Amino acid sequence: GESVGLHLPTLSVQEGDNSIINCAYSNSASDYFIWYKQESGKGPQFIIDIRSNMDKRQGQRVTVLLNKTVKHLSLQIAATQPGDSAVYFCAENQENAGNMLTFGGGTRLMVKP
Amino acid sequence: SAVISQKPSRDICQRGTSLTIQCQVDSQVTMMFWYRQQPGQSLTLIATANQGSEATYESGFVIDKFPISRPNLTFSTLTVSNMSPEDSSIYLCSVGGARDTQYFGPGTRLTVL
Repeated sequence: GESVGLHLPTLSVQEGDNSIINCAYSNSASDYFIWYKQESGKGPQFIIDIRSNMDKRQGQRVTVLLNKTVKHLSLQIAATQPGDSAVYFCAENQENAGNMLTFGGGTRLMVKP
Repeated sequence: SAVISQKPSRDICQRGTSLTIQCQVDSQVTMMFWYRQQPGQSLTLIATANQGSEATYESGFVIDKFPISRPNLTFSTLTVSNMSPEDSSIYLCSVGGARDTQYFGPGTRLTVL
């Protein structure tokens, strides 16, 4: 299938290691954040979300950390697997922005066996 | 989560023609959105497809270029009109609210020659 994000920054990790994908946002009014995973030839898939009243949220093998002071969001993937190879996008929304989700530029994660 | 399908999955079109993309959801949803993902880029919201009224377009997108229909709560179409090579992108529909999880369809990969 066609590749998405041919010119995106790339994070290369060894299978079994932990991965950390970072995202910076600029709007201090943003109060809802989502991480999406997009595999080649597919639409974005929801991974985990977090609201601004929290600074950490955990899912299955994933953790999202939110630092509102420096406007930084990270996605941590534990024990990275080859199936985690994809492009990862963060998205943000503000309460007064209606339905608009603003997406970050994306990071390509490559898992080496 | 809703199951979302799109037709066609991909197409190659000639300059100056128009293509209509369909989005079908397996359950009734209030909010439906159309996004564009240009090669190597992140996602940009084109418009919100409103049932029973005109779509709400984001800055930089106009109805004449991207007419949208939403005849019911499970279906929407996006037309890319008078296409040029710059319209080559992946077009994605999504459902859900921006204040809540948004789920994406698989995308339609459009190439304009």
